[in-house]
Amino acid sequence: GENVEQHPSTLSVQEGDSAVIKCTYSDSASNYFPWYKQELGKGPQLIIDIRSNVGEKKDQRIAVTLNKTAKHFSLHITETQPEDSAVYFCAAGANYGQNFVFGPGTRLSVLP
Amino acid sequence: NAGVMQNPRHLVRRRGQEARLRCSPMKGHSHVYWYRQLPEEGLKFMVYLQKENIIDESGMPKERFSAEFPKEGPSILRIQQVVRGDSAAYFCASSPTDGYTFGSGTRLTVV
Repeated sequence: GENVEQHPSTLSVQEGDSAVIKCTYSDSASNYFPWYKQELGKGPQLIIDIRSNVGEKKDQRIAVTLNKTAKHFSLHITETQPEDSAVYFCAAGANYGQNFVFGPGTRLSVLP
Repeated sequence: NAGVMQNPRHLVRRRGQEARLRCSPMKGHSHVYWYRQLPEEGLKFMVYLQKENIIDESGMPKERFSAEFPKEGPSILRIQQVVRGDSAAYFCASSPTDGYTFGSGTRLTVV
């Protein structure tokens, strides 16, 4: 089955700096890779996703890159703000009707 | 367009009691997934259901846990004879195609 690893487990950056979180997956059949942000006491919220036929996707300050050959994908947050502080989860799976396997999460702290 | 609704938000049960967690998917979503999150850990898949069908329950413990998604009404995750190790946040998600929408979760505490 699928196995997703995520690094780092914790990340602290100064406000305005960039943050990068990296994930690897094991199942070459996985073709959909979402990223979720979870704030304290809340459910995970989808922030960006990418399919395996695309190498990069950007949405304002957030971007995701995918390297299918190496089986890794990364989340990039630029110009970080204190409200970006949260736990971020990557996931991998098929695009429909299949459960996702989540990474263990990265706790991001943006220091003012 | 309401999101995924879970209730209760917080549930306290004594050891040996039953816990019932409810999830109403987003309108138009016919796929429901349950995940469990232990403190300071990631999300672990439990079960995937469609209306009146369990599609994948490979993540469900073999005993005491069951789930249903009836033709009418919310999906129910049922935990019988709860133990302290069942204390966790239980999240439901629904999906039409790609990308889940998660509910706010039910935080179960077993005392």
